Amino acid sequence: DIQMTQSPSTLSASVGDRVSITCRASQSISSWLAWYQQKPGKAPKLLIYKASSLESGVPSRFSGSGSGTEFTLTISSLQPDDFATYYCQQYKSDSRTTFGQGTKLEIK
Amino acid sequence: EVQLVQSGAEVKKPGESLKISCKGSGYSFTTYWIGWVRQMPGKGLEWMGIIYPGDSDTRYSPSFQGQVTISADKSSSTAYLQWSSLKASDTAMYYCARRSYFDWHFDYWGQGTLVTVSS
Repeated sequence: DIQMTQSPSTLSASVGDRVSITCRASQSISSWLAWYQQKPGKAPKLLIYKASSLESGVPSRFSGSGSGTEFTLTISSLQPDDFATYYCQQYKSDSRTTFGQGTKLEIK
Repeated sequence: EVQLVQSGAEVKKPGESLKISCKGSGYSFTTYWIGWVRQMPGKGLEWMGIIYPGDSDTRYSPSFQGQVTISADKSSSTAYLQWSSLKASDTAMYYCARRSYFDWHFDYWGQGTLVTVSS
């Protein structure tokens, strides 16, 4: 299976900061990568798909980049609602999708 | 509006069987894959398997093959996840999610079903 490694595991930041989360794949996945946001007690919410496509309704301060094995989720100016846990997901393989271990974004 | 509505929380004893459900509405249920994702307490997301309700084609993660059964009922637009003999380690939140038609990410998620297995 393709392994996904996110960094950092925890990120402390302030409202208004620009932050980035990295996701690395153990082999090339082209652009078959999605990013999700999860808040405590809630289901994950899709933010980005195909590495850089913004899901409808998601604020434009979220952006995704990368291809191959290295990907980045960037939040341009943190808002209070953005403090959550973020997961990447590779879906190169039809039936062997895998998630990263998650990055918890905390208020500094 | 696309919705996936899951069955309610369950408390079971080790060795008991269980079947939880995920009802889709607001779209053509038979033409989208439905996946199941486990989240153990305080942990990350783990993909368990996926089913295509149109023909019940089912794929499992190797980690869950033989441990659970995924099924679907087209007539009621409902997908299921079942266990024949629960273990304490099955205690987790379970989510169903719809796989996008044109891409393979999960675009809609159920609200989750909390399964607690305790003697």
